[in-house]
Amino acid sequence: SQQGEEDPQALSIQEGENATMNCSYKTSINNLQWYRQNSGRGLVHLILIRSNEREKHSGRLRVTLDTSKKSSSLLITASRAADTASYFCATSNAGGTSYGKLTFGQGTILTVHP
Amino acid sequence: EPEVTQTPSHQVTQMGQEVILRCVPISNHLYFYWYRQILGQKVEFLVSFYNNEISEKSEIFDDQFSVERPDGSNFTLKIRSTKLEDSAMYFCASSREQGIQPQHFGDGTRLSIL
Repeated sequence: SQQGEEDPQALSIQEGENATMNCSYKTSINNLQWYRQNSGRGLVHLILIRSNEREKHSGRLRVTLDTSKKSSSLLITASRAADTASYFCATSNAGGTSYGKLTFGQGTILTVHP
Repeated sequence: EPEVTQTPSHQVTQMGQEVILRCVPISNHLYFYWYRQILGQKVEFLVSFYNNEISEKSEIFDDQFSVERPDGSNFTLKIRSTKLEDSAMYFCASSREQGIQPQHFGDGTRLSIL
């Protein structure tokens, strides 16, 4: 798989359910970020987790990072119809040979039915 | 909340013509980026820019591309001689610091090459 691959590619749930999206990557990272993209709009930053962190929370979002498995998960609890969007993980390896560029995955399309 | 703004929202151009995509980053940000997203594909990094210089560029960013910060507020991407395969959404992003802070994205310019 390529750097920053999300799984599943599409997820359809009912309002109130939890949504879990996974991301795998290949190279070493400085941090991993999750972004949301509503149709036809730009990317909105959701949460950043550093390589020395294992878990982070922000409101209804919970992100985990397992650097030994090179994987991350994004959990959205008590989903709402407004959470319907594409979700991308993006890795950053700033400080090595990189200067902050983000490498994005293919994304997970989340549909939350009212 | 401050935003990254991009103009135009949609640009239609004949193949071989030059286009300039414009971005106004968040005012206290120092690092600027361009990404593109071909329909149905991943968001891809093009170039990062700091202190009036390119910090890093991808293989996509060949000689037909250039970036400029002509004044204290604008950040532009120029494509000199457009090709059909340049059709994509182009996103500008900015960040206060490099690699350890989230990048803030504009809503993008949809570039259509005929």
